[in-house]
Amino acid sequence: QKEVEQDPGPLSVPEGAIVSLNCTYSNSAFQYFMWYRQYSRKGPELLMYTYSSGNKEDGRFTAQVDKSSKYISLFIRDSQPSDSATYLCAMRGDSSYKLIFGSGTRLLVRP
Amino acid sequence: DAGVTQSPTHLIKTRGQQVTLRCSPKSGHDTVSWYQQALGQGPQFIFQYYEEEERQRGNFPDRFSGHQYPNYSSELNVNALLLGDSALYLCASSFLGGPNNEQFFGPGTRLTVL
Repeated sequence: QKEVEQDPGPLSVPEGAIVSLNCTYSNSAFQYFMWYRQYSRKGPELLMYTYSSGNKEDGRFTAQVDKSSKYISLFIRDSQPSDSATYLCAMRGDSSYKLIFGSGTRLLVRP
Repeated sequence: DAGVTQSPTHLIKTRGQQVTLRCSPKSGHDTVSWYQQALGQGPQFIFQYYEEEERQRGNFPDRFSGHQYPNYSSELNVNALLLGDSALYLCASSFLGGPNNEQFFGPGTRLTVL
């Protein structure tokens, strides 16, 4: 079993929809949680960074962490065609700088 | 302010050859991590360099080695290339003294082994 599980999709939504992306994990030592966006054949771009449990909002993006359920989410409001990309969750523990990634969810926002 | 840069962009090698990939970190960053990303997968951690030393390593064989220079730039070397080494190689930089140690990625080097 992988340490971090992420549905590969693809997830196809109409423009303007609210998108929900999720990851589950098994290692209770994880404390730092990240979401990266990766366009085709490009490097990952850091979108959101959260420490421990709780919510964090940045513009159209909201990240949620529920450590009791070992479940993290990224919500995208008013989705745009330019949001079409692969979204990767990543996490690490306090004593490690090694990021553990999910396999990514491919998102397609239709005009 | 330049972000993380990597060279070359693309590389084609044959089995058994050796390759060197290069990375310059974001200005102000002192730590460099390398990741391998196979097609359709998330990045896998290879190792991290800080103060010119390897401080953490993932589950990769000794064929993968690295170096960090005094100016914080880094190289990834892979010996005796295998077909399975074909992947996107990503460099990420961070500032160890920062509150969260966020890692910022470069555009990657796409390696094809024939």
